[in-house]
Amino acid sequence: EAGVVQSPRYKIIEKKQPVAFWCNPISGHNTLYWYLQNLGQGPELLIRYENEEAVDDSQLPKDRFSAERLKGVDSTLKIQPAELGDSAVYLCASSFLNGELFFGEGSRLTVL
Amino acid sequence: DQQVKQNSPSLSVQEGRISILNCDYTNSMFDYFLWYKKYPAEGPTFLISISSIKDKNEDGRFTVFLNKSAKHLSLHIVPSQPGDSAVYFCAALHSGTYKYIFGTGTRLKVLA
Repeated sequence: EAGVVQSPRYKIIEKKQPVAFWCNPISGHNTLYWYLQNLGQGPELLIRYENEEAVDDSQLPKDRFSAERLKGVDSTLKIQPAELGDSAVYLCASSFLNGELFFGEGSRLTVL
Repeated sequence: DQQVKQNSPSLSVQEGRISILNCDYTNSMFDYFLWYKKYPAEGPTFLISISSIKDKNEDGRFTVFLNKSAKHLSLHIVPSQPGDSAVYFCAALHSGTYKYIFGTGTRLKVLA
């Protein structure tokens, strides 16, 4: 069974540029999460989807971050414009009916 | 306000000995607890979990203990192996919100 797939693994951009991350969850998992992980910290939830619906986006900085999950499968997280403080690892996870989270390998963003 | 705390950022243990990783939480509404293991450049992987109605759950070399009155859980690894060297995150869930809260992690190093 394929795991959670994320791309790109690494991205280096200059500040004020846009960036997008893509996630393909485990087949059959209806719940999808985007987490932010700063160095030395644990993952922090940005947004949670149940199928196509964003059921918790309270911690998503909506002035510059956006996300979508069309057709309830793949998801994209976008930052526009990126700031220096956005440098971090962006983790996607999925679960079946809010069970244990299965994480992807993460997308490491460096903003110069 | 950090609801889940891992006060030991690092731990070193000799191969074959017991590793004990600790986690404290503040929210009495948490009713499900998990441990995740993370290798460098990989996403966290699920290790073991425990429901608040139990005080112990065992899976091979890994045992999680929950002390609800103290709001404390611990992960025991016996015997420790060099391949166990990783960062371990505890996470807590309030099933009413389906929001996982992660600790900051403990880096375990098992010395051969």
